[in-house]
Amino acid sequence: GQQVMQIPQYQHVQEGEDFTTYCNSSTTLSNIQWYKQRPGGHPVFLIQLVKSGEVKKQKRLTFQFGEAKKNSSLHITATQTTDVGTYFCGPPNNAGNMLTFGGGTRLMVKP
Amino acid sequence: NAGVTQTPKFQVLKTGQSMTLQCAQDMNHEYMSWYRQDPGMGLRLIHYSVGAGITDQGEVPNGYNVSRSTTEDFPLRLLSAAPSQTSVYFCASRLTVWKDNEQFFGPGTRLTVL
Repeated sequence: GQQVMQIPQYQHVQEGEDFTTYCNSSTTLSNIQWYKQRPGGHPVFLIQLVKSGEVKKQKRLTFQFGEAKKNSSLHITATQTTDVGTYFCGPPNNAGNMLTFGGGTRLMVKP
Repeated sequence: NAGVTQTPKFQVLKTGQSMTLQCAQDMNHEYMSWYRQDPGMGLRLIHYSVGAGITDQGEVPNGYNVSRSTTEDFPLRLLSAAPSQTSVYFCASRLTVWKDNEQFFGPGTRLTVL
């Protein structure tokens, strides 16, 4: 299936610092979705981006879709301990029926 | 709506035993899938189904079987459990794979194979 790569794999930040995770594809994506998984929990849908260059905000979270629709990013401003978890991007629709996810970025926030 | 439900929440098996992980959704979703997540790792697709009566293999199908006799249910069978199958298993559903819909995940089944 179509692969999306996420970087970094892990990120430790001090509470109040900013955080960014990147999702990259070698081919053009029709859309990209972002999910958050709290420790011990299950992935929960955050947002979907469809348009080239699209930017969406959810409070301190800013999601971007690249102009070429091959990459996406999630930026968190002034992290809080409630932001702890793993953030996944995917799945790429042009993978056909195989809805696969990026490897995820695990965010740890030190109070 | 209950969303996506999974049973059991926890299970311990001995090597060679078989079992079925249950998954059900009450949202009339066409698409259902199973993922496994190993500690500190991402989600790997095991099997998926685009509708009742149709199933297909994902990235890591070996050692698992699925069936989709109804829209609501999508059980995952471990044929002969191995320690390498120790993992957290998530079932997910989506309205359809043909449109841009979000996926809903169940709470997961934590499986340990001794």
